[in-house]
Amino acid sequence: ELKVEQNPLFLSMQEGKNYTIYCNYSTTSDRLYWYRQDPGKSLESLFVLLSNGAVKQEGRLMASLDTKARLSTLHITAAVHDLSATYFCAVMGDDKIIFGKGTRLHILP
Amino acid sequence: DTGVSQDPRHKITKRGQNVTFRCDPISEHNRLYWYRQTLGQGPEFLTYFQNEAQLEKSRLLSDRFSAERPKGSFSTLEIQRTEQGDSAMYLCASSLIINYGYTFGSGTRLTVV
Repeated sequence: ELKVEQNPLFLSMQEGKNYTIYCNYSTTSDRLYWYRQDPGKSLESLFVLLSNGAVKQEGRLMASLDTKARLSTLHITAAVHDLSATYFCAVMGDDKIIFGKGTRLHILP
Repeated sequence: DTGVSQDPRHKITKRGQNVTFRCDPISEHNRLYWYRQTLGQGPEFLTYFQNEAQLEKSRLLSDRFSAERPKGSFSTLEIQRTEQGDSAMYLCASSLIINYGYTFGSGTRLTVV
């Protein structure tokens, strides 16, 4: 059974700092997704990573995928308050996407 | 293309009552998924359809839950004899090409009192 683990689950950081969220998964997959969720809202797609070594960047966020290590990272550069949200890693397995528990990110001004 | 629509946005019901939620996917999307999300957790897969065929149901989906997608368009999720543990956000998502992930609706928040 595919399991997706994120760490940390909670992260409080200051504006301007850099940090990385890690996502490990338990079975082979080369399709990985990152979503953002604001409180009380639905999920917004951030990145779709479809091959080993894939790297995608959007603004201050950069995501990468290492399928051999079964690891994806979401790197935040020079964080700003607007990035405060919960970030979910999700992996395709058996024709459906399995989500991690999410990383709740709080950026202090 | 107005995205994935879910109705209602919020539902408060008494324990033991039946509730039904509706999801209208993006029109050209042939796959439709239902997930449940409780506070502080990630979405949990419930079931999915390809066109009108229900292809998989999670073991989380007890016999009190039923989902349909008549004619391969909108879908309904019904919960019979609701329990307090059913309180959650119910998310619908759709996709055309599964590789590119899903588009989620705004969700239906169910509170069972």
